[in-house]
Amino acid sequence: EIVMTQSPATLSVSPGERATLSCRASQSVSSNLAWYQQKPGQAPRLLIYGASTRATGIPARFSGSGSGTEFTLTISSLQSEDFAVYYCQQYNNWPLMYTFGQGTKLEIK
Amino acid sequence: EVQLVESGGGLVQPGGSLRLSCAASGFTFSSYDMHWVRQATGKGLEWVSAIGTAGDTYYPGSVKGRFTISRENAKNSLYLQMNSLRAGDTAVYYCARGPSGTGMDVWGQGTTVTVSS
Repeated sequence: EIVMTQSPATLSVSPGERATLSCRASQSVSSNLAWYQQKPGQAPRLLIYGASTRATGIPARFSGSGSGTEFTLTISSLQSEDFAVYYCQQYNNWPLMYTFGQGTKLEIK
Repeated sequence: EVQLVESGGGLVQPGGSLRLSCAASGFTFSSYDMHWVRQATGKGLEWVSAIGTAGDTYYPGSVKGRFTISRENAKNSLYLQMNSLRAGDTAVYYCARGPSGTGMDVWGQGTTVTVSS
């Protein structure tokens, strides 16, 4: 089973600054990595898939990078609406199994 | 508008059963892989099951043998039959659309399942 580990658990950043979130896989998932944003009381929203492709309607300030076991989600110039919990998810191995990371809470500094 | 609406959640005793439903609209349901994902209060997301367009099904070890995912394309509906429920199954259950290779791009609002005596 592939284990996804996100760091840090909580990230405090000021509005307008850049946030960098990390996700590590216990074995290679190639580029089969997605990022989601979740706000309190809401369902998750897909931000990034294929490690670096923005989903429909996602602002350009969100970017993803990495492959294999190390991945990064970068949010440039944080807006007030970006403070939320972010999850990474792998969808690589066969038979089909999906695994989420434990999440990173992005909070206002 | 592309939409998923879950229903069927509620309070059930340990060892009991419950069937969740997810009604899809605004897209060609039969063309997409579909998933169930759950989230316990204050916890992270846990993938629960998936079903492919051909009806192939997949589960993590935590629910395999207890949960059964199914779909009825003629009714644009996804189901999750949950048996032998445990307190640890208490969560909000989301259905999600999952095009192959692109993550889960559409989510429902969730339905709450509480397993308690």
